[in-house]
Amino acid sequence: IAGITQAPTSQILAAGRRMTLRCTQDMRHNAMYWYRQDLGLGLRLIHYSNTAGTTGKGEVPDGYSVSRANTDDFPLTLASAVPSQTSVYFCASSDSGLTDTQYFGPGTRLTVL
Amino acid sequence: GQNIDQPTEMTATEGAIVQINCTYQTSGFNGLFWYQQHAGEAPTFLSYNVLDGLEEKGRFSSFLSRSKGYSYLLLKELQMKDSASYLCAVLDSNYQLIWGAGTKLIIKP
Repeated sequence: IAGITQAPTSQILAAGRRMTLRCTQDMRHNAMYWYRQDLGLGLRLIHYSNTAGTTGKGEVPDGYSVSRANTDDFPLTLASAVPSQTSVYFCASSDSGLTDTQYFGPGTRLTVL
Repeated sequence: GQNIDQPTEMTATEGAIVQINCTYQTSGFNGLFWYQQHAGEAPTFLSYNVLDGLEEKGRFSSFLSRSKGYSYLLLKELQMKDSASYLCAVLDSNYQLIWGAGTKLIIKP
């Protein structure tokens, strides 16, 4: 059982380029999340999905979009990357999305130059 | 606004006990989580408290006082592998997780 996988592990990207971070879970969890983690700050929620076919905006959604076509996959797209989007991105999932524990993927380290 | 406060860094000695505090001010409360995060790795779940009191799980215990907006994580018999960041997170009234910046715990031999 892999749990949650993310790809790529790391990426250096030129500003203005489009980039999709991939996230796949095999736990059949209903809810999935995208966070960014920056030094000195707590994890900040970008977007979430409580169930396949639905998505919602988190604390810092600007510049990012998501889709949830099925239960397992939750890709995050940066339409036109900017240097302030340099961060470590974590995907997470939970069974019900409310009080359930969130399980995190290994993260993607993204650098935008 | 919503706020979670934790010390930035703590140092402790192998074999000792350490208490990591977390205070919070959030719009509503539906539970408090503690996660452990080793450097360069993903956060992993440690504990969840929704009622006042102490929850013990092996060497780790977590305490909650809702009236004081306060929690602590207690780590006993510290081991070198406990060197990590410890993240406090609160579920607010909208069931959104609000995260603290984390406490980096350094264990010295």
